[in-house]
Amino acid sequence: DAKTTQPPSMDCAEGRAANLPCNHSTISGNEYVYWYRQIHSQGPQYIIHGLKNNETNEMASLIITEDRKSSTLILPHATLRDTAVYYCIVRDPNFGNEKLTFGTGTRLTIIP
Amino acid sequence: DTGVSQDPRHKITKRGQNVTFRCDPISEHNRLYWYRQTLGQGPEFLTYFQNEAQLEKSRLLSDRFSAERPKGSFSTLEIQRTEQGDSAMYLCASSWGQGASDEQFFGPGTRLTVL
Repeated sequence: DAKTTQPPSMDCAEGRAANLPCNHSTISGNEYVYWYRQIHSQGPQYIIHGLKNNETNEMASLIITEDRKSSTLILPHATLRDTAVYYCIVRDPNFGNEKLTFGTGTRLTIIP
Repeated sequence: DTGVSQDPRHKITKRGQNVTFRCDPISEHNRLYWYRQTLGQGPEFLTYFQNEAQLEKSRLLSDRFSAERPKGSFSTLEIQRTEQGDSAMYLCASSWGQGASDEQFFGPGTRLTVL
């Protein structure tokens, strides 16, 4: 699986949009971009995934650049409960590539 | 609650002792994963099961580690002759195994401290 690069930490004011960047310049055509987050003392939690097109669900939006070398996770109205470590993962979901390869992620702190 | 559960949540042991952890996945899920997480790092993959078959093992899984999923339901992870370097959070996850949309659901983890 391709590697990802994320900033180690970010702050965001409560109520504002949190934009978390991720670089994955070596991503291959079959690899999807996945985002998970881990709130302190809990297991990771799935947020969203995408291949080429932008995606949105009840938690977040995922914007993938046209060349697919980077992406941005957007939390539209951040709350204090969004304080967590956010992991950007690229993965080929074909059989034999089942594991998630986590990096060190971005520690997002929401400021009241 | 139908989420992934792990037992125990915390385990303190002395070096050289054996420990066993249990994971109960979401009941309909056929895939079960074990990860290990040390302080300040993201989770690292250890192994995974499709039903009762263990299909992949990481090189991190030394011969002191063994995992089983005897009936394709719950799983156990045993560490023999524990070492201080085994101190970590051990996370279990389960999923449907549905290709790209295969969301892994994680349990709360078992924190192991080896003295």
